[in-house]
Amino acid sequence: GEDVEQSLFLSVREGDSSVINCTYTDSSSTYLYWYKQEPGAGLQLLTYIFSNMDMKQDQRLTVLLNKKDKHLSLRIADTQTGDSAIYFCADRTGGGNKLTFGTGTQLKVEL
Amino acid sequence: NAGVTQTPKFQVLKTGQSMTLQCAQDMNHNSMYWYRQDPGMGLRLIYYSASEGTTDKGEVPNGYNVSRLNKREFSLRLESAAPSQTSVYFCASSGQGEYLYEQYFGPGTRLTVT
Repeated sequence: GEDVEQSLFLSVREGDSSVINCTYTDSSSTYLYWYKQEPGAGLQLLTYIFSNMDMKQDQRLTVLLNKKDKHLSLRIADTQTGDSAIYFCADRTGGGNKLTFGTGTQLKVEL
Repeated sequence: NAGVTQTPKFQVLKTGQSMTLQCAQDMNHNSMYWYRQDPGMGLRLIYYSASEGTTDKGEVPNGYNVSRLNKREFSLRLESAAPSQTSVYFCASSGQGEYLYEQYFGPGTRLTVT
């Protein structure tokens, strides 16, 4: 089945850019999502990209999609302490309703 | 709108006990999901319901049962809890529109089985 992988941890300094990476295996992916989970809470959608796009920008967030390499990244500009959270990429494939989630990347922002 | 609500927020069970986790959504969504979250493993789908009256197994259904009571409610039952079911359980729902498959999550239930 579909596999979505992420590195487990990322540490950055406040004000720097963060780049969180994700790889997936299913070439028929249609939508790819980035979710954020703050401590003790559920997941919230941050942004998404449709599979026919290479890039999407939304304020401090930039999503890059390389379909050839099946690689997705989320760049957060001017990272703040409030960005500390776990970030999940998720992949919708085929015509179903299900999403496949990655393992999550814990982002720690240091002063 | 409350979105997706889950009860209880916390629960401690002894091995062999049973319990039902409740989930409700007020967004008129067709699809609902149950996930478990374990450290280093991300979210794994237990069961889902594409529409009222249907349920299907996800990645890790063993030891669980579900009921889609109506369009709003989707419950998860542990018949005989085991320590391996210690986890954080999330319910989610998704509907129609621009974000056709965006899933909205509840706050989670933290379950410990001793």
